[in-house]
Amino acid sequence: RKEVEQDPGPFNVPEGATVAFNCTYSNSASQSFFWYRQDCRKEPKLLMSVYSSGNEDGRFTAQLNRASQYISLLIRDSKLSDSATYLCVVNSRGFKTIFGAGTRLFVKA
Amino acid sequence: GAVVSQHPSRVICKSGTSVKIECRSLDFQATTMFWYRQFPKQSLMLMATSNEGSKATYEQGVEKDKFLINHASLTLSTLTVTSAHPEDSSFYICSAGGGLAVGTDTQYFGPGTRLTVL
Repeated sequence: RKEVEQDPGPFNVPEGATVAFNCTYSNSASQSFFWYRQDCRKEPKLLMSVYSSGNEDGRFTAQLNRASQYISLLIRDSKLSDSATYLCVVNSRGFKTIFGAGTRLFVKA
Repeated sequence: GAVVSQHPSRVICKSGTSVKIECRSLDFQATTMFWYRQFPKQSLMLMATSNEGSKATYEQGVEKDKFLINHASLTLSTLTVTSAHPEDSSFYICSAGGGLAVGTDTQYFGPGTRLTVL
């Protein structure tokens, strides 16, 4: 089993749609969690951190469920510019970072 | 946000040559820098973690004699791919984290270096 698993893509959605990505992690000792966005042939960029209390940044909402070892990202009112690969990232003690394989999102007009 | 630069952005070399990639944190001091490799349509794979002034810690399966890492200062780390072969062709990305200017768990990525070995 992979340490970090994400929904297989791609997700093809129309503009304005709401789309949700899921991610599970296997190491219960994991301490911090992030969603990164990666555009084609570019470096990953931090989208948002994920907290147990949930956090929201504009159209993006991230949730963490430690009991189920599950992270989610919700994108509301999708824009064409949201098309990218979304990476679930998990840090464990000692700064070990594990990236999920990523989920590709295509938003179409 | 914090800025990390990488140089060169793209390099094409002949098989058997060595290639050096630089990673710099421009506006903060990074106690830790990471080197990743990403093959097409795959996720980033951590190659090694380097702390300033100490030897890098390599992930399993990564040859430390082939991928030489030097982290001589809090703002500069270098990765040298020695005797490069076509299978080393990949997208190499560094990231920097730690220090007072950034959250200890947050990493900031360089723009990446695309290496093509002929």
